[in-house]
Amino acid sequence: DTGVSQDPRHKITKRGQNVTFRCDPISEHNRLYWYRQTLGQGPEFLTYFQNEAQLEKSRLLSDRFSAERPKGSFSTLEIQRTEQGDSAMYLCAVEPGGWETQYFGPGTRLLVL
Amino acid sequence: DQQVKQNSPSLSVQEGRISILNCDYTNSMFDYFLWYKKYPAEGPTFLISISSIKDKNEDGRFTVFLNKSAKHLSLHIVPSQPGDSAVYFCAASALFSGSARQLTFGSGTQLTVLP
Repeated sequence: DTGVSQDPRHKITKRGQNVTFRCDPISEHNRLYWYRQTLGQGPEFLTYFQNEAQLEKSRLLSDRFSAERPKGSFSTLEIQRTEQGDSAMYLCAVEPGGWETQYFGPGTRLLVL
Repeated sequence: DQQVKQNSPSLSVQEGRISILNCDYTNSMFDYFLWYKKYPAEGPTFLISISSIKDKNEDGRFTVFLNKSAKHLSLHIVPSQPGDSAVYFCAASALFSGSARQLTFGSGTQLTVLP
């Protein structure tokens, strides 16, 4: 099963507040990815985990962003001091070992006012 | 620097006819290509993929063609159905960090299938 759940599905916050999103793969997957999608664009890569190790980060991931995967299962993405430009859909994806295909969760839509 | 381009933001097709969605890429390091379908307020759903060692892959009504020399791929949907109406994203994949893969997406094509 390649299912992925994400929580919350929607988040509205005021500029300057901190927000945290969670990604829960239904079954164990070594590889987990975070992407961000803004209106009219395709998803853009943010970061990648191999088990609990964060092995790659995009230059899009400013120092206000932090991601963790403490036990190699679920993952969290935190944005500190949110800005209006952070408004986007944040997507989590998993890649079953050897499949070369990433499967996405439903996403968390963030609106920063 | 857009490494994956979908030059048609929208496409309308009559039900039962063929839908052809196009995608161009620039990076020769890409060796695996995927198409995703996306409905509003949902995550992308994987449709079909193709390795760079092939030039065609079929799965039911969906066929993906890859022309490596032209750095071009296309998705054919035959016959098109109203339920196919969605945004379609082309994605290209390259290896990094061992065996992990980073996807680079195009900007999407909105397909509308008219009944």
